[in-house]
Amino acid sequence: GQQVMQIPQYQHVQEGEDFTTYCNSSTTLSNIQWYKQRPGGHPVFLIQLVKSGEVKKQKRLTFQFGEAKKNSSLHITATQTTDVGTYFCARGLQGAQKLVFGQGTRLTINP
Amino acid sequence: DAGVTQSPTHLIKTRGQQVTLRCSPKSGHDTVSWYQQALGQGPQFIFQYYEEEERQRGNFPDRFSGHQFPNYSSELNVNALLLGDSALYLCASSAYMGQGWGYTFGSGTRLTVV
Repeated sequence: GQQVMQIPQYQHVQEGEDFTTYCNSSTTLSNIQWYKQRPGGHPVFLIQLVKSGEVKKQKRLTFQFGEAKKNSSLHITATQTTDVGTYFCARGLQGAQKLVFGQGTRLTINP
Repeated sequence: DAGVTQSPTHLIKTRGQQVTLRCSPKSGHDTVSWYQQALGQGPQFIFQYYEEEERQRGNFPDRFSGHQFPNYSSELNVNALLLGDSALYLCASSAYMGQGWGYTFGSGTRLTVV
């Protein structure tokens, strides 16, 4: 019940195309965080969502938290080669003292 | 610059040996968590330290132990290494940011057990 499922596992796009990854939980999420990990790198915090129906934007990235707080999505508009990497969602448990990560969506881009 | 410093960056050990990994948290962060990331997987929570005490623990055997020092730095110790312990070990420091916890991950230590 604590797990978060991410889909798709892999996504390959042409540069300029849009990309979306989804994060789903069977139980209500108190919060959801998104991270990006470049190949050979470490997870880098992107954003945290807390409120039902919340939408936040960071340049070409749009993050949404579902009304029921059981799902979240990350959408990238007009991908660039710098967007390559694996995107993870992570739920915070016990007041976010512990993060439970999804399996990630690996994004590759054809220039 | 990640703000969180981990050492060493790479390590090769033999089965049965013991290893110690080190982490210095980001300035202003007093909580340190350790994660194990196997190839192609998401990070898995090992444990978290706050005020030199283990506060939370994930589903890892007692071979995995840790310590936090008064300056908030931390060590992860793994005894009796198994081939399956080969992974990227990530340290994350955190602090409460008002609406939630902010995490900063270090670059990790890549451990290979042969």
